[in-house]
Amino acid sequence: GAVVSQHPSRVICKSGTSVKIECRSLDFQATTMFWYRQFPKKSLMLMATSNEGSKATYEQGVEKDKFLINHASLTLSTLTVTSAHPEDSSFYICSARWPSSYYEQYFGPGTRLTVT
Amino acid sequence: AQSVTQPDIHITVSEGASLELRCNYSYGATPYLFWYVQSPGQGLQLLLKYFSGDTLVQGIKGFEAEFKRSQSSFNLRKPSVHWSDAAEYFCAVGADAGNNRKLIWGLGTSLAVNP
Repeated sequence: GAVVSQHPSRVICKSGTSVKIECRSLDFQATTMFWYRQFPKKSLMLMATSNEGSKATYEQGVEKDKFLINHASLTLSTLTVTSAHPEDSSFYICSARWPSSYYEQYFGPGTRLTVT
Repeated sequence: AQSVTQPDIHITVSEGASLELRCNYSYGATPYLFWYVQSPGQGLQLLLKYFSGDTLVQGIKGFEAEFKRSQSSFNLRKPSVHWSDAAEYFCAVGADAGNNRKLIWGLGTSLAVNP
């Protein structure tokens, strides 16, 4: 149980284009999902908290107009990187909070984004 | 504000040796504590968690951790390390931010295992 998938696992896009990353909880319903960014050899940086049916809560310093988050169902959240630039290249990871838990999260395998 | 410190950035142990990864937290109330492992090319996996009760918790893959309130610590241990344990290990504490509950992360400890 507690399986979270992400798609795609890798994506290369040209500067100025937009990229959508999907995060799905496969065997449980998640009212809350999270989007992280991980830099090489660095810890996880929380970008935003996604709540089903409502607007995402972004962490300080994260541009909400650049990183669009939609959590339209209890099993799907999407992150769209708009007008991507090379500095947006990174490893993006999503997680879903276990429904009966305050904090317990289960993670997707991550998406490697490269902007050329 | 809540914070998590993992004092060791990188640790190398020999296969079969014992392991202890340190984690210190800053939190006013009883913390919800977690250890996750990130193996190369894989997603983060929950190793174990502490919410309340017995301060020595058992996890997957033979790992255990002990919550010590007096030391604000939640160190991860394994009696005999296997080569497959080479990975990045993250300690995290649950935190409330308004209406949102999130995890505060340590910077991670990279574990290398010598044959």
